[in-house]
Amino acid sequence: DTEVTQTPKHLVMGMTNKKSLKCEQHMGHRAMYWYKQKAKKPPELMFVYSYEKLSINESVPSRFSPECPNSSLLNLHLHALQPEDSALYLCASSLTSSFETQYFGPGTRLLVL
Amino acid sequence: AQSVSQHNHHVILSEAASLELGCNYSYGGTVNLFWYVQYPGQHLQLLLKYFSGDPLVKGIKGFEAEFIKSKFSFNLRKPSVQWSDTAEYFCAVRTGANNLFFGTGTRLTVIP
Repeated sequence: DTEVTQTPKHLVMGMTNKKSLKCEQHMGHRAMYWYKQKAKKPPELMFVYSYEKLSINESVPSRFSPECPNSSLLNLHLHALQPEDSALYLCASSLTSSFETQYFGPGTRLLVL
Repeated sequence: AQSVSQHNHHVILSEAASLELGCNYSYGGTVNLFWYVQYPGQHLQLLLKYFSGDPLVKGIKGFEAEFIKSKFSFNLRKPSVQWSDTAEYFCAVRTGANNLFFGTGTRLTVIP
């Protein structure tokens, strides 16, 4: 199994909703990442987990809350989002967090109304 | 701060034409360099990478890239493009920190 899977593929939510994005990999990778990609822009790093511990938080607002329950799973909990948070949310993983190739999932396309 | 520049925003080529996409980065230390491709409606896929050794690296689908340290460049090349190469191409740089910096991307359109 050499892929990163993400669910759901699409998500529409209101500004008062609570939802979660899920990412899974079974490659034995111990680093996992969340990126945000707006239309026609490059991916921007949000969070890095290394060995299930949060190692990087790129000044992301608290309405985004990551969680890494085990080495294969990475969640992103969403609450009280704004319309400008609408974007493609990409998950990636790598063997470790240092100088390794990152493998990306297909993303969850999020629309906040 | 580190940055990655891709000066070509949109490139349009006919099939069989040669391709070169520019990538320059600003970071003085050790770097790992990547080219990712995003086909329409698909996720980011790794085309090729440079970690160390031979500065000319070959990737999938006939792509290659050359790392020129003195020019802080990692340009992507393909001698003869196909219609199926139509996609968005991102250059990315990994520095000593646990971060991957992406360029703004170059959209390649290949006309049959």
